[in-house]
Amino acid sequence: LAKTTQPISMDSYEGQEVNITCSHNNIATNDYITWYQQFPSQGPRFIIQGYKTKVTNEVASLFIPADRKSSTLSLPRVSLSDTAVYYCLVGQGGKLIFGQGTELSVKP
Amino acid sequence: DAGVIQSPRHEVTEMGQEVTLRCKPISGHNSLFWYRQTMMRGLELLIYFNNNVPIDDSGMPEDRFSAKMPNASFSTLKIQPSEPRDSAVYFCASSGPPSGRAYEQYFGPGTRLTVT
Repeated sequence: LAKTTQPISMDSYEGQEVNITCSHNNIATNDYITWYQQFPSQGPRFIIQGYKTKVTNEVASLFIPADRKSSTLSLPRVSLSDTAVYYCLVGQGGKLIFGQGTELSVKP
Repeated sequence: DAGVIQSPRHEVTEMGQEVTLRCKPISGHNSLFWYRQTMMRGLELLIYFNNNVPIDDSGMPEDRFSAKMPNASFSTLKIQPSEPRDSAVYFCASSGPPSGRAYEQYFGPGTRLTVT
């Protein structure tokens, strides 16, 4: 399973766009890239998943370059309620390996 | 659907006692996962089931931990005997149709276990 590296923490202000980049140099051909969000005292919540290029849903966008060795989660116009820990995961099938995540703090 | 249901939400027990955590997955899901989260180790996958069969239990810390899934709507994680280092939040998650994507897991609210 590929190891992921992401910043430990990030600060932002309400209304800004936040980009969290994850490095996964050893990603395998069949691996998917998945992002989860976790609020305090809650279980993680699936945000978005992609394999290559760009994926967008109602919550976020995921940008994946051609070499797939990194990926960027983009949160448009964050609000205070987006303060959470964001996890980047790489793998296939059911075995998700969570790293330490990025603690995003959104300030007014 | 009510989502993944876990019980109890909080458990405080003394070292040496048996602890049983319970999980009811989302109806129709065919995969179930048990995780443990601590500040030091983060979120760790303990075991996962597919169609009620344990597929990978390599994350189970030691023989004191056991998990069962007698049917598609119920699973238990048992610790016997419990130790203070088992104190953590234990999450249950499930995945399956309609998305069919194993990486799209739905987590329960967790059980906060404290062993004194």
